[in-house]
Amino acid sequence: QITLNESGPTLVKPTQTLTLTCTFSGFSLSSNDVGVGWLRQPPGKAPEWLALIYWDDDTRYSPSLRSRLTINKDTSKNQVVLKMTNMDPVDTATYYCAHRGGTTWRYNWFDSWGQGILVTVSS
Amino acid sequence: ELVMTQSPATLSVSPGESATLSCRASQTVSSNLAWYQQKPGQAPRLLIYGTYTRATGIPARFSGSGSGTEFTLTISSLQSEDFAVYYCQQYNNWPPVTFGPGTKVEIK
Repeated sequence: QITLNESGPTLVKPTQTLTLTCTFSGFSLSSNDVGVGWLRQPPGKAPEWLALIYWDDDTRYSPSLRSRLTINKDTSKNQVVLKMTNMDPVDTATYYCAHRGGTTWRYNWFDSWGQGILVTVSS
Repeated sequence: ELVMTQSPATLSVSPGESATLSCRASQTVSSNLAWYQQKPGQAPRLLIYGTYTRATGIPARFSGSGSGTEFTLTISSLQSEDFAVYYCQQYNNWPPVTFGPGTKVEIK
């Protein structure tokens, strides 16, 4: 059974850097074709994909946010970390990590999600 | 960026009836489309990927169809637990993968 759990601050100030950690179980991020993504969802809106890291350390980012995002993994701890710089009130959202579906790097849907963490950006 | 649209925004359905939700892509996504269900306060749950394939544990009353730019999610004989928001997601032309704005299925 795959489980994912997001952790980090629930309140950040504008211009600060947000660091979120996804701790997972039920799979290994060192196995072929495995990947973990980060997505976010502003209140009342659709999910938005942010970043993805594969088992081989390959990473992909949303073009519109690429300059602000960094995704890393610690396979020994079963963790994936997302950093987002220069936070703004418009970044207020629930942030999710999710296990990617698909058996090739090219096809990415998300078949297991964490419960999410609501991050508010406010001074 | 490939844009996904969904219609209608809200669908009012009586329990036991069927519901048909539409999803359109601004350019072809082949069959690389997924559907998710989201209930208030919960994370999205994968229903269908590859346009047709139900995810593990998803009941057969959920079915997907379409290709190219036009897709449909059909829910036959709606159960009380099916009232939720439904999102489509394309993963053909990415980054970024993109989601539609959602269709809310509410009780009539």
